[in-house]
Amino acid sequence: SYELTQPLSLSVALGQTARIPCGGYNIGSKNVHWYQKKPGQAPVLVIYTQNNRPSGIPERFSGSNSGNTATLTIRGAQGGDEADYYCQVWDNSFWVFGGGTKLTVL
Amino acid sequence: QITLKESGPTLVKPTQTLTLTCTFSGFSFSASGVAVAWIRQPPGKALEWLALIFWDGAQRYNPNLRNRLTIIKDASKDQVVLTMTDLDPVDTATYYCAHRIDTDDAFDIWGQGAVVAVSS
Repeated sequence: SYELTQPLSLSVALGQTARIPCGGYNIGSKNVHWYQKKPGQAPVLVIYTQNNRPSGIPERFSGSNSGNTATLTIRGAQGGDEADYYCQVWDNSFWVFGGGTKLTVL
Repeated sequence: QITLKESGPTLVKPTQTLTLTCTFSGFSFSASGVAVAWIRQPPGKALEWLALIFWDGAQRYNPNLRNRLTIIKDASKDQVVLTMTDLDPVDTATYYCAHRIDTDDAFDIWGQGAVVAVSS
C-alpha cells in the first residue's frame, strides 16, 4: 500500500516561511491535498490538487509537488497557523493520509 | 452550504459493533460524482481513512479494515451509515464523515466529529 511520510514536527519563527514536506514514491504524479487540524476541531482543507486554495483560505498557503516530495508552504506564519498538517493522496482506489506534522510558531 | 454531522454512541464495549450515522445537507446523492467518506483519528495519532461511498452506491474500504467495515447510504434521509464490527480499545477515536470534492479526491467539508471510546 502507498505510504506518505511527514516529519513529526517543525517550527517556524513568527512571520517567517514554513515548508512542510510530504514524501511518497513518485508523489509528483499524484494529486496532493493538505489539511490543517487543530485540537478539538475538525480538519480543514487548505490546499487541494497541488496548489488550489478553497474559499476562505489565505493566499499565504500554497503547495507544490515534484518527484518524491510534495510541500505545503505557509508564508508569513502566524500564531493561528500553529496546528497539525496532513497531506493526502488517492492511490489505486484508496485514500491515504500522511502521519501529520505538528507546526509550532515561535 | 454543505454541512455534515455525525451521531452515534460515545461508549462501546469490546467485541461489540459500532454504528455511526452521518446526516448531511446541502448536497444530494442524486447528483453524479457525490461521495461521502468516514475518517477517524485516535487520540494523539494521525488521520486514517476508513471507507467511502459514491452516489451510485459503489463502496471503497481501507484494506486493513475491510473485513470489519460496512458503509451504506440512505438517499431518502440524506444519511450515510458506517458499521464497524468486533471493536477493540484501539478503535477509540474521533470519527468524522466528510464530503468529497466532486472533481477531486480531497475532502472539502467535514463534520464536527463523534468521539467513540471502546472500553469495558
